[in-house]
Amino acid sequence: DAGITQSPRHKVTETGTPVTLRCHQTENHRYMYWYRQDPGHGLRLIHYSYGVKDTDKGEVSDGYSVSRSKTEDFLLTLESATSSQTSVYFCAISDDSSYNSPLHFGNGTRLTVT
Amino acid sequence: DQQVKQNSPSLSVQEGRISILNCDYTNSMFDYFLWYKKYPAEGPTFLISISSIKDKNEDGRFTVFLNKSAKHLSLHIVPSQPGDSAVYFCAATAMRQNFVFGPGTRLSVLP
Repeated sequence: DAGITQSPRHKVTETGTPVTLRCHQTENHRYMYWYRQDPGHGLRLIHYSYGVKDTDKGEVSDGYSVSRSKTEDFLLTLESATSSQTSVYFCAISDDSSYNSPLHFGNGTRLTVT
Repeated sequence: DQQVKQNSPSLSVQEGRISILNCDYTNSMFDYFLWYKKYPAEGPTFLISISSIKDKNEDGRFTVFLNKSAKHLSLHIVPSQPGDSAVYFCAATAMRQNFVFGPGTRLSVLP
């Protein structure tokens, strides 16, 4: 298993509260990603990072922000959670030493916004 | 507008037979394609990939075929085993910043 740890694994929160999900890797990979999985949509990219303090938006970034202050940690923040953000969130990493490198995923965080 | 499509939400196959999962894409800039397997309550696990300069890649029981003119790829699993029962996602990328995933196909391998 790639060394990726997501925390928490489960979270229930109320609408309007801020939430931060954490992804920690031990592989020293430069690229890190946040995806959400919803029925009928597969996995959709929220934000990604190509290095410390270097981040960019994905296709479903509205309502989310990210930070990467260290190579090993990539944080996803929901500034004010909404019910539409109820989902399973996956962090992924990719080795940039090879152009064709797959993503490796963590085990996910199930977030419920009530 | 989905750039990666998996038109079969589910597939059932007898143990020992071949499983064929299909995927279509619309973006001609995609040049790297991947298959992932996902069990409940776990993250997707990388299975096999293929770059656009090839039309076939094999790894044990898994073979991926790429037909660039048809913008179609398929995953063959031979022989299928009960442990292969999972959701399979097809993914594609052009610039490596964004890997685009299909909606998934649930494979059930019946004993």
